[in-house]
Amino acid sequence: AQSVTQLDSQVPVFEEAPVELRCNYSSSVSVYLFWYVQYPNQGLQLLLKYLSGSTLVKGINGFEAEFNKSQTSFHLRKPSVHISDTAEYFCAVSERDSGGSNYKLTFGKGTLLTVNP
Amino acid sequence: DGGITQSPKYLFRKEGQNVTLSCEQNLNHDAMYWYRQDPGQGLRLIYYSQIVNDFQKGDIAEGYSVSREKKESFPLTVTSAQKNPTAFYLCASNDRDYNEQFFGPGTRLTVL
Repeated sequence: AQSVTQLDSQVPVFEEAPVELRCNYSSSVSVYLFWYVQYPNQGLQLLLKYLSGSTLVKGINGFEAEFNKSQTSFHLRKPSVHISDTAEYFCAVSERDSGGSNYKLTFGKGTLLTVNP
Repeated sequence: DGGITQSPKYLFRKEGQNVTLSCEQNLNHDAMYWYRQDPGQGLRLIYYSQIVNDFQKGDIAEGYSVSREKKESFPLTVTSAQKNPTAFYLCASNDRDYNEQFFGPGTRLTVL
């Protein structure tokens, strides 16, 4: 089974600074990768996804992520953050379940991004 | 608008009582999922269902039960056997041929 490691549980940054949220996963076999964002007391919203093709993936709200197969990483970046980016961010990897007929998502434990003025 | 609804948003129950959380989707998705979220723990899969009248246990199914009598509905019952039921519960769905999951707004369950 897959495992997902988000290396930082909390990342504080100042407004307009760049940020990188790190994510590593356990397997080098073909996987699909996702970043989700969660605002307080809400569900998860998809930021971006990697299914195939270009390793640099662009998402909503100015975020992007780079898939690195050799390092089994999928780090999330934004060149200039806003106060409104304060939220929890989850990295997830999709794999087929044991029956092989459906996909399951395995999530990291999350990174709380706090943007300070 | 298409989406996933969960009700209620907040739920309080006494210890020892069973409680059922509602999840409805109008996205015409085949697969539905229930996750539990605790602070610092990420999301953990409780149960999932690929088609009507079929479901599979996830990683933490003990103390929970589900049913899938209709494609659009996937209710979760938290039974008295669940030792620590206070948590935020999230429902999700996806089309079987496309593995992006869409999430509902969640239900926060507090057992007193």
